[in-house]
Amino acid sequence: DTGVSQNPRHKITKRGQNVTFRCDPISEHNRLYWYRQTLGQGPEFLTYFQNEAQLEKSRLLSDRFSAERPKGSFSTLEIQRTEQGDSAMYLCASRLAGQYQETQYFGPGTRLLVL
Amino acid sequence: AQKVTQAQTEISVVEKEDVTLDCVYETRDTTYYLFWYKQPPSGELVFLIRRNSFDEQNEISGRYSWNFQKSTSSFNFTITASQVVDSAVYFCALVQAAGNKLTFGGGTRVLVKP
Repeated sequence: DTGVSQNPRHKITKRGQNVTFRCDPISEHNRLYWYRQTLGQGPEFLTYFQNEAQLEKSRLLSDRFSAERPKGSFSTLEIQRTEQGDSAMYLCASRLAGQYQETQYFGPGTRLLVL
Repeated sequence: AQKVTQAQTEISVVEKEDVTLDCVYETRDTTYYLFWYKQPPSGELVFLIRRNSFDEQNEISGRYSWNFQKSTSSFNFTITASQVVDSAVYFCALVQAAGNKLTFGGGTRVLVKP
């Protein structure tokens, strides 16, 4: 019974470079979420997918950010032209979509440092 | 708009003491869900408990218990007989019944000393 996995766990990059993170949800979960957590704060919602459709995006998700879930399984989050303000923990979560509000289960996160 | 407030930023206790974490929330919705998550130093958010807004029965699960009071919009969480492994940041979170995004509080860091 595997949980949500994320790769890489850590990423150090220089300002201006592009980075891509991957999230593999729990296999039967059709909803997938991305959150961002800066130091000392709670996670903040970025976007979510139901299967392959991206249904909601936060205003935090600038034009430099793009997320995909092409086959309704794993998802990628790409940040173009990274800035130092992008340094944060990027968390992925998944859940079943059903009649009730099922619990979101989180992965270990990708910690990004932009130099 | 929804808001979750965790007024305690850090709590330090000695092992075996009880720890109570406060959570106050704001929402216009009549149906919603509340959660507590634990984030150890490794970074992963670990689900602990959930409660829906139409069930105010308080429960105990092992060393964890919670006190949900809709009248005061509070959802407090207690760890009984704390252990060093309980040291972590604890987050309270809220989601609308028909919504998707979790709204988190700022977290409370718990340090349990041996």
